[in-house]
Amino acid sequence: ETGVTQSPTHLIKTRGQQVTLRCSSQSGHNTVSWYQQALGQGPQFIFQYYREEENGRGNFPPRFSGLQFPNYSSELNVNALELDDSALYLCASSLGTGVEQYFGPGTRLTVT
Amino acid sequence: GIQVEQSPPDLILQEGANSTLRCNFSDSVNNLQWFHQNPWGQLINLFYIPSGTKQNGRLSATTVATERYSLLYISSSQTTDSGVYFCAVSEGTYKYIFGTGTRLKVLA
Repeated sequence: ETGVTQSPTHLIKTRGQQVTLRCSSQSGHNTVSWYQQALGQGPQFIFQYYREEENGRGNFPPRFSGLQFPNYSSELNVNALELDDSALYLCASSLGTGVEQYFGPGTRLTVT
Repeated sequence: GIQVEQSPPDLILQEGANSTLRCNFSDSVNNLQWFHQNPWGQLINLFYIPSGTKQNGRLSATTVATERYSLLYISSSQTTDSGVYFCAVSEGTYKYIFGTGTRLKVLA
């Protein structure tokens, strides 16, 4: 059974640029959630995708957007990057909504 | 929304000691998970425990949903137990809300 994978591992971008982060869900899982973890804090929910539809969204601006593909993998896109977007971005997959989530290793984004 | 508080915020133990980490939440929840975040940032699932008691080796957890708290017990701690422990709760069907974590350091 393949676990949750994320790419890239690390990324450095300049303020104002756009970035795309990718996540492959655990085998058989149809739900992907994205979280942002700033240094020294707990992860904060960005949004969730269930069967290719956005199923819920946290308190993040519209420049944070996502997609889920038919194979249930997912992308997180962030436009007009700001310095405060520097964080660890975590993807979690689950078999359905409201159940146990399994996390990937994360993508560490640095915005300069 | 639901507030999640974890205590203590920091904990230093000698190898072999036991510890109890606490998670309080402000409203009814449908789901609760405990995670260990290693130094590389990976969140490792410890327990999915919306209610009741579970044990896995040296770790055990208890959630008393009616009193809105959960406890994580670590016995005979090892240096590899070091890291940050998070409690996360979900009131609905999608987002989990994380606490601020307990940072544990186990000394050899």
